[in-house]
Amino acid sequence: EDQVTQSPEALRLQEGESSSLNCSYTVSGLRGLFWYRQDPGKGPEFLFTLYSAGEEKEKERLKATLTKKESFLHITAPKPEDSATYLCAAPYNFNKFYFGSGTKLNVKP
Amino acid sequence: ETGVTQTPRHLVMGMTNKKSLKCEQHLGHNAMYWYKQSAKKPLELMFVYNFKEQTENNSVPSRFSPECPNSSHLFLHLHTLQPEDSALYLCASSHPDTQYFGPGTRLTVL
Repeated sequence: EDQVTQSPEALRLQEGESSSLNCSYTVSGLRGLFWYRQDPGKGPEFLFTLYSAGEEKEKERLKATLTKKESFLHITAPKPEDSATYLCAAPYNFNKFYFGSGTKLNVKP
Repeated sequence: ETGVTQTPRHLVMGMTNKKSLKCEQHLGHNAMYWYKQSAKKPLELMFVYNFKEQTENNSVPSRFSPECPNSSHLFLHLHTLQPEDSALYLCASSHPDTQYFGPGTRLTVL
């Protein structure tokens, strides 16, 4: 069964404490793996798209990587403003997407 | 600002009311979506429109009625909702595979 699973469900970090979020997927014929950031009460904000194993993309303190089974979102020296829920998603069929349940990140000063 | 706007941002309605949510995108995308997001649940796909044609209805109750008059506008008409329909309703557009979301409408059904 195709699905996208994220872990951990929640993560609490001290400011400056680096860590990684995981997104594992079992989607046939993967056409991309997407990462979003969502702040409370707002719509998800697009961060990255990864298309092939070994690909990496960076944006400020975030770096996304992709293997054949999973993707990681590495957060280096996070700041309180990085606190949000991070979602990953994979497209399937035509114009439809599997979304994970998200990882809620809380960075304490 | 992602280019996808939604109005209203907040809506409180009674179970007997009729209201509509509006979504507009200025990205030139051909696909538009409605999602429901409840607390501690994954995004739930409700409807998909491609080139104004509905291509997906994910077993959504008939009290939710979508309308897509053109590729830039999408509506969600609401009537006789239930309290469990209270959630954040998100509109998105995509082309080809990347989705961009609006800010959402926080709906509360009393």
